[in-house]
Amino acid sequence: DTGVSQDPRHKITKRGQNVTFRCDPISEHNRLYWYRQTLGQGPEFLTYFQNEAQLEKSRLLSDRFSAERPKGSFSTLEIQRTEQGDSAMYLCASTIGLAGGSSYNEQFFGPGTRLTVL
Amino acid sequence: GNSVTQMEGPVTLSEEAFLTINCTYTATGYPSLFWYVQYPGEGLQLLLKATKADDKGSNKGFEATYRKETTSFHLEKGSVQVSDSAVYFCALRSYTGFQKLVFGTGTRLLVSP
Repeated sequence: DTGVSQDPRHKITKRGQNVTFRCDPISEHNRLYWYRQTLGQGPEFLTYFQNEAQLEKSRLLSDRFSAERPKGSFSTLEIQRTEQGDSAMYLCASTIGLAGGSSYNEQFFGPGTRLTVL
Repeated sequence: GNSVTQMEGPVTLSEEAFLTINCTYTATGYPSLFWYVQYPGEGLQLLLKATKADDKGSNKGFEATYRKETTSFHLEKGSVQVSDSAVYFCALRSYTGFQKLVFGTGTRLLVSP
């Protein structure tokens, strides 16, 4: 399977715990996005990587959230001291585009990680 | 800022009925417009897109036309099938910046036999 993969698919945690999600983009894709989707809403942008550089972060990404893409391949999203309001589906998407240039290429989405904070 | 507004669901139709899901947008410049579909238990999939005014995107019998004068991108299908039951998201992507997608809230479509 050469699509975007995410792990785990589901995570249940208690309030105050830390969680980490992983995204493996399509292998040649240099652009990677994280989105968050709460129940009944559309996905909302969280952060963007071009290769290993994190170039944009949404105001939704509080200090408790951190994302990395250390070698420009897979990415991790960590949430520290989780709160019930963090319960959502976390989506990863990837695409290919020229550095600093525009891209009309499709963003391919992974299946998401569903987080439930008790 | 950029935003997308789409009609609330659920939309309930009988098989072979005509479908319209309204979508309007607010954006600076000339965004690209998209419809994504999310089938039960699956990830988001691109259904169709249009990158400039008057472009018509089409796929699997679905169509949408980029109307700059009305800032709209309504999704239509002439004859829906039970297998079209899903959540449909309208989205835009700015030409500038890092091309993140801005989504509407989604419209659930339920098609009965």
